[in-house]
Amino acid sequence: AQSVAQPEDQVNVAEGNPLTVKCTYSVSGNPYLFWYVQYPNRGLQFLLKYITGDNLVKGSYGFEAEFNKSQTSFHLKKPSALVSDSALYFCAVIHQGSFQKLVFGTGTRLLVSP
Amino acid sequence: SAVISQKPSRDICQRGTSLTIQCQVDSQVTMMFWYRQQPGQSLTLIATANQGSEATYESGFVIDKFPISRPNLTFSTLTVSNLSPEDSSIYLCSADQGPAPEAFFGQGTRLTVV
Repeated sequence: AQSVAQPEDQVNVAEGNPLTVKCTYSVSGNPYLFWYVQYPNRGLQFLLKYITGDNLVKGSYGFEAEFNKSQTSFHLKKPSALVSDSALYFCAVIHQGSFQKLVFGTGTRLLVSP
Repeated sequence: SAVISQKPSRDICQRGTSLTIQCQVDSQVTMMFWYRQQPGQSLTLIATANQGSEATYESGFVIDKFPISRPNLTFSTLTVSNLSPEDSSIYLCSADQGPAPEAFFGQGTRLTVV
């Protein structure tokens, strides 16, 4: 079964510092991986995806993610964090059989302090 | 990307009653999906709704509790029946975007059962 793990419940970082939110995956077949962000009282917003190609994927709001096949990881990164980046981040993998059916990780709360 | 609107955005319901959530997409989509996000938890797929056929439910979710309608290619409803406090969650709908693999989400419906 497809699954993703987010080992950190919360990540704290100071504004202006680089941030990393970790995700590892377990899939059968090709991994199709996604990051979504959830702001308070809002739905999920798509950030970026890895389907194939370059291991470094660039997405919305300055975020990027690095796909590492040997480590089965897909960590989310940003070179310089903003206070407004504070939110809940979900890593997701495609549910077997359909691109748009997703299996989500448990989520990581990112807290960026001024 | 398609714009997905959900109604209501939040509701407080008495136990034993039902709540119907509407999901409207501003373009025709093949598949729509319903997810549940319990407090402090990740998202779990409830079912897939295709137009013209019965919804396909994931393990642990049944039609009697979560009846779904999909009358056309832009609209779906999820009813949460016989409400109990354990049904207090955020319910989100999402839709496929055709060739693009990423799913897009509505803003969610926050249900509180008292």
